[in-house]
Amino acid sequence: NAGVTQTPKFQVLKTGQSMTLQCAQDMNHNSMYWYRQDPGMGLRLIYYSASEGTTDKGEVPNGYNVSRLNKREFSLRLESAAPSQTSVYFCASSEEGVLPSGQYFGPGTRLTVL
Amino acid sequence: RKEVEQDPGPFNVPEGATVAFNCTYSNSASQSFFWYRQDCRKEPKLLMSVYSSGNEDGRFTAQLNRASQYISLLIRDSKLSDSATYLCVVNPWGYGQNFVFGPGTRLSVLP
Repeated sequence: NAGVTQTPKFQVLKTGQSMTLQCAQDMNHNSMYWYRQDPGMGLRLIYYSASEGTTDKGEVPNGYNVSRLNKREFSLRLESAAPSQTSVYFCASSEEGVLPSGQYFGPGTRLTVL
Repeated sequence: RKEVEQDPGPFNVPEGATVAFNCTYSNSASQSFFWYRQDCRKEPKLLMSVYSSGNEDGRFTAQLNRASQYISLLIRDSKLSDSATYLCVVNPWGYGQNFVFGPGTRLSVLP
């Protein structure tokens, strides 16, 4: 099992450019998440998907869109990148039962917006 | 008061030492608790889940005190490889997107 995979690992964009971050999980989890982590700060939730076809905003959704393509894949799109979006982006997945399991994270995408 | 707070750190301890981290949470209805470790420039990795009063896994012991609303993580016989940032995570409602991350406590185990 690969767990949670993310592409690309690194990306440099110019202000105003767009890009899509890809995430896939092979653990058959229902829930998937996108977080950003800035230096010296904790993880902040951008968007969440409880199941295929559903998405919800998290703490910092402005400037981002998401697509839950199927149960395995959850993508994050930056339509017009801004320097404030320079960050490390982590995708995660989890299973929900009577009590939720913890989250499993991908290796991250390091994004720099010039 | 922040939802999840942790010992500010950093903790610098010699190899073989025992070290304990504390984490407090504000929502008394919280159901699920987790400890993660995050190495520099890496993703967080799940270390332990804590659903009842505590959990033990080898050198690591997590304890939950619902009355005082805190979780602790004890590491015995510290190894150099334990050096990392330890994140406390609380799921206040027991489901959904509500995983609230603490700021983390950095541990350095010194030779």
